[in-house]
Amino acid sequence: DAGITQSPRHKVTETGTPVTLRCHQTENHRYMYWYRQDPGHGLRLIHYSYGVKDTDKGEVSDGYSVSRSKTEDFLLTLESATSSQTSVYFCAISPDPKSNQPQHFGDGTRLSIL
Amino acid sequence: TQLLEQSPQFLSIQEGENLTVYCNSSSVFSSLQWYRQEPGEGPVLLVTVVTGGEVKKLKRLTFQFGDARKDSSLHITAAQPGDTGLYLCAGRGQGAQKLVFGQGTRLTINP
Repeated sequence: DAGITQSPRHKVTETGTPVTLRCHQTENHRYMYWYRQDPGHGLRLIHYSYGVKDTDKGEVSDGYSVSRSKTEDFLLTLESATSSQTSVYFCAISPDPKSNQPQHFGDGTRLSIL
Repeated sequence: TQLLEQSPQFLSIQEGENLTVYCNSSSVFSSLQWYRQEPGEGPVLLVTVVTGGEVKKLKRLTFQFGDARKDSSLHITAAQPGDTGLYLCAGRGQGAQKLVFGQGTRLTINP
């Protein structure tokens, strides 16, 4: 299995609090992605990174920010969590998407905003 | 914005039956991937198709990429309970660094 770890695996927090999710990889892949998964929506891209300090927005980026200071770590931050951000969050990595290599996913973080 | 529509979203059938899942778009994709996801885990790649009309087989699973590279299908022959899971199609546009995912098909195979 690809070396990708998400933390925490579960988190419950209150509306208005900041939340940071971490994705750590040991594969030295260039690309990293954050998705959210909600019933009926499949996987929706929040932000992605194509290198250290190089990031771009996905289709549902509002309310989220990311940072990548090292190749191995990609952080997703909810500055002020809202109930609509309750979801399961997945991190994925890829060496080179243009070569059609697969994305390898972590096991997800289940986040509940009360 | 490229969109992928999967159908059906839910499918429950008996063991031994055949089924087909569809993934459709009005956009052209450079490649299309199918993933399978188990509860509590991330999706895992099943196959990648890149050429219009391409057919790939993985044991009892047959994947096809449409001639115009706008659609794909997954056919399962003689479904087994172990095939139960969420199936996701994902397309990559020309030169794109990211994938677009369909909504998923939740498949249940009853013994």
